[in-house]
Amino acid sequence: NAGVTQTPKFRILKIGQSMTLQCTQDMNHNYMYWYRQDPGMGLKLIYYSVGAGITDKGEVPNGYNVSRSTTEDFPLRLELAAPSQTSVYFCASSFRDRIPHYGYTFGSGTRLTVV
Amino acid sequence: AQTVTQSQPEMSVQEAETVTLSCTYDTSESDYYLFWYKQPPSRQMILVIRQEAYKQQNATENRFSVNFQKAAKSFSLKISDSQLGDAAMYFCAYRSPLSNFGNEKLTFGTGTRLTIIP
Repeated sequence: NAGVTQTPKFRILKIGQSMTLQCTQDMNHNYMYWYRQDPGMGLKLIYYSVGAGITDKGEVPNGYNVSRSTTEDFPLRLELAAPSQTSVYFCASSFRDRIPHYGYTFGSGTRLTVV
Repeated sequence: AQTVTQSQPEMSVQEAETVTLSCTYDTSESDYYLFWYKQPPSRQMILVIRQEAYKQQNATENRFSVNFQKAAKSFSLKISDSQLGDAAMYFCAYRSPLSNFGNEKLTFGTGTRLTIIP
């Protein structure tokens, strides 16, 4: 049981480049999320999805796009990288349950540097 | 919108001693869920403990326990018999009940870095 898998673990981008952060989960979770963590800060929600074909913006969506074509995959797209997007990115997933006993399952994160 | 505040950016404790990390939150909801997550240097986010707001009894998980004060909107984490492996960032998080679309997300505090002194 792999849980939530994120790739790549590290990446350096030049300003204006584009890239996709991959996220896949094998737990049949219906909810998936993308967070970013800036140094010394908590996690801020970028986008989330409650099921295949359904996505919505979080607190800090500008500069990012997502898609959810399958239950398992939730890629995050950066179209024109900017230094302000230098951060650690976390993907997470959870079940829709009235009582969220297990909180989220997190991936191991992607450290992205934009230079 | 809900907010979560962790007022202690850094804490330290002697090995085998007890330490308490503070967390307060602001919400108008009566039913919600609270979590403590641990983030060691590996960056992995690990669920430490959870608390349902409708439960008066404080949650415990081995050496970890919480002091949940609903009226004061306070949710502190107590770590007993601190071990070197407890050194990490600790994040408090809030989640709304799953009654409406959009309530599924966690709101995090800014974290407390815990150092264990051998």
